[in-house]
Amino acid sequence: EAEVAQSPRYKITEKSQAVAFWCDPISGHATLYWYRQILGQGPELLVQFQDESVVDDSQLPKDRFSAERLKGVDSTLKIQPAELGDSAMYLCASSLPGVVDTQYFGPGTRLTVL
Amino acid sequence: AQTVTQSQPEMSVQEAETVTLSCTYDTSESDYYLFWYKQPPSRQMILVIRQEAYKQQNATENRFSVNFQKAAKSFSLKISDSQLGDAAMYFCAYLWETSGSRLTFGEGTQLTVNP
Repeated sequence: EAEVAQSPRYKITEKSQAVAFWCDPISGHATLYWYRQILGQGPELLVQFQDESVVDDSQLPKDRFSAERLKGVDSTLKIQPAELGDSAMYLCASSLPGVVDTQYFGPGTRLTVL
Repeated sequence: AQTVTQSQPEMSVQEAETVTLSCTYDTSESDYYLFWYKQPPSRQMILVIRQEAYKQQNATENRFSVNFQKAAKSFSLKISDSQLGDAAMYFCAYLWETSGSRLTFGEGTQLTVNP
């Protein structure tokens, strides 16, 4: 069964450092999402791509976060510089292009900022 | 703004028994979708069940069923014949089609299944 892949699974960094997370969606899924899940809370959408285009980044802290999906397949989320409050689980999900198609989630990257 | 509230941070159930998880939401829209997602420890989140608001019939998936009360803005999940593998964090989520694919999640209910 096809799955969303994410790496690394765990990342520990010091504040002010740069970090990057990678996501490979299910083959054929044109829509890709990055969510942030703070411990004890539900996920919150950071950015949504349709192919290589950003369709929703209203909740992305653009002063320090960036996301790209250059060829419309895999995607990278970057934080520079990392802050203590960025410690969270970063989830990637993908879906077919329909608005209400099921979103399939990856295992996430657990980020700890020291 | 749409909000989703799960008032039960933790629930427990005996194996083979039935448990109901509660969810309420706030919206002024009439057409939307509701979901229950399951997040097992250290594993990815998976969809359990979904409900279209325009459908009056409650969705069912094997041992999982919902009680959708549109007027009350309530969307509870019932798990019958609970199994040890049902232990997980359960999230209720809302999607308003006109806003794109943004899922709005509740804060989750941690379900423990006791043998």
